[in-house]
Amino acid sequence: DAKTTQPNSMESNEEEPVHLPCNHSTISGTDYIHWYRQLPSQGPEYVIHGLTSNVNNRMASLAIAEDRKSSTLILHRATLRDAAVYYCTLAGTASKLTFGTGTRLQVTL
Amino acid sequence: DADVTQTPRNRITKTGKRIMLECSQTKGHDRMYWYRQDPGLGLRLIYYSFDVKDINKGEISDGYSVSRQAQAKFSLSLESAIPNQTALYFCATASGGRYNEQFFGPGTRLTVL
Repeated sequence: DAKTTQPNSMESNEEEPVHLPCNHSTISGTDYIHWYRQLPSQGPEYVIHGLTSNVNNRMASLAIAEDRKSSTLILHRATLRDAAVYYCTLAGTASKLTFGTGTRLQVTL
Repeated sequence: DADVTQTPRNRITKTGKRIMLECSQTKGHDRMYWYRQDPGLGLRLIYYSFDVKDINKGEISDGYSVSRQAQAKFSLSLESAIPNQTALYFCATASGGRYNEQFFGPGTRLTVL
């Protein structure tokens, strides 16, 4: 299964945009890129997904590189409630998700 | 009510004991998954099921077994628990297609002494 690589941690000020990068250089042509976040003491929560084109939803935007070997999750205005571990995952055969170690996002006032 | 529930939420047991973790969902999804999370690490897939008659091993299935009693219920068993199975266990559900999101339960914290 393809792997993902993310920075261990990032910091942001509240109400500023945050760009969370992810490398997935061994992604296969049919893998979807999914992002989940995990708040303390909770299960992961879906954020967004995409295949080739950039995607927007009410929570975030997903920018996918043209070669699909990397992607960036964009939180347009970070709030304290966005502090969590963000996982970039790949959905391969059987919709199995391959998780990396994630990026811990800290948001400060 | 939560769409994906897990019982128990916390469990402490001793080495060698048999343990069952249960997962139920009300979303009507056909796919169900069991993951394990160790401190500071991402989730790893233990088993997954597409329907009652379709059970598949994941990345780390050794030492675990599962049962899909109905579309809505998927149980994970540790036949003889050992200390390195101490972890957080998450159940998830999804409808068909790799583009579909997975919905996770709240997790079970298992400690094996």
